[in-house]
Amino acid sequence: SQKIEQNSEALNIQEGKTATLTCNYTNYSPAYLQWYRQDPGRGPVFLLLIRENEKEKRKERLKVTFDTTLKQSLFHITASQPADSATYLCALADSWGKLQFGAGTQVVVTP
Amino acid sequence: DAGVIQSPRHEVTEMGQEVTLRCKPISGHNSLFWYRQTMMRGLELLIYFNNNVPIDDSGMPEDRFSAKMPNASFSTLKIQPSEPRDSAVYFCASSLLTSEYGYTFGSGTRLTVV
Repeated sequence: SQKIEQNSEALNIQEGKTATLTCNYTNYSPAYLQWYRQDPGRGPVFLLLIRENEKEKRKERLKVTFDTTLKQSLFHITASQPADSATYLCALADSWGKLQFGAGTQVVVTP
Repeated sequence: DAGVIQSPRHEVTEMGQEVTLRCKPISGHNSLFWYRQTMMRGLELLIYFNNNVPIDDSGMPEDRFSAKMPNASFSTLKIQPSEPRDSAVYFCASSLLTSEYGYTFGSGTRLTVV
């Protein structure tokens, strides 16, 4: 069966440091992978999409890598700020284009 | 655009009652998704519409759940009869064409069945 695994333990990080999150998957051959941010009491918000033929994508302080051989994506938040504290979700599309989400990793950035 | 609009934001109902959740997707988006989120199971896809037609309802837990999309600007998710295990946050999301452009989620409906 298809699985998406994210680290269930919260990531506590000091302001200014780089936060790195991992998303591993099995039994997928995704054309692309997406990352979302979710704040308490709110719906997920789309951040970045990376395609299978792209190794790296950047958006402001965010960087995503995608290794289809390792079946892994890394999500980096550089120069982290307390406002970056949230849960970050990895998502993969199946052959129908439907997104399935990982359980998410909570990031806590302390001043 | 006001984004994806869901109503109500909160719903508390007694077991056995009918519950109807509502969603207005972003104008121009042709795909609509209903998800359910719980601590135990995370975000689960319930049903997916494309151009108002249900494409895949394999995630709908059982016959007590039904969803409709009578037009491009409105969808409902109904639970009849409701049970305590249905308590969760229900999200509606819409997107253009395929998920390649990312989904836009509503703020969700927190359902509590007592």
